[in-house]
Amino acid sequence: GAGVSQSPSNKVTEKGKDVELRCDPISGHTALYWYRQSLGQGLEFLIYFQGNSAPDKSGLPSDRFSAERTGGSVSTLTIQRTQQEDSAVYLCASSLGSEQFFGPGTRLTVL
Amino acid sequence: GENVEQHPSTLSVQEGDSAVIKCTYSDSASNYFPWYKQELGKRPQLIIDIRSNVGEKKDQRIAVTLNKTAKHFSLHITETQPEDSAVYFCAASIEGSNYKLTFGKGTLLTVNP
Repeated sequence: GAGVSQSPSNKVTEKGKDVELRCDPISGHTALYWYRQSLGQGLEFLIYFQGNSAPDKSGLPSDRFSAERTGGSVSTLTIQRTQQEDSAVYLCASSLGSEQFFGPGTRLTVL
Repeated sequence: GENVEQHPSTLSVQEGDSAVIKCTYSDSASNYFPWYKQELGKRPQLIIDIRSNVGEKKDQRIAVTLNKTAKHFSLHITETQPEDSAVYFCAASIEGSNYKLTFGKGTLLTVNP
């Protein structure tokens, strides 16, 4: 079956602009996660959804970052007023239990 | 919160040799420890995991060991092959909670033919 998909695969934006990143999880997976991977770093947790609610937003780095999930499926991560330090690969994962299945990521470059 | 340290950051071995990657964690409540392999430009993929009720788990050439008392766990790859070359990440989470993964910073494994 289809895996986790993300769009766009690459996004180049100018400092100060807003961006939206999309994640389509595996059908039926109730849990959805967003992670950020910076060059040479591990994966940094951002936010966790169970269904449409987000019981853990502890990893969001600032109030410029927000995310929502609708219909227990698609999720959107929004970064407002982007800064150069936001440049990274943003990875989405979904799961039914322990194992998380990752998407291919969106590479964000802020000029 | 949880903190996961991973060593070494880079590891180079000859084909056929063994490779060992070690991780330590800080939160004694963590009970689920997966290992992910990420090839260049690809998504991370789970290769093996272990839960805190067991000390060792094997899957063909890959094994993981866990020492709960010392709060460390290790990945062992035997008879390495060039296709094992990738970045390997360890992680820890609390199963039964939100399964949020805390990752180590990764190990770049290079297997030289």
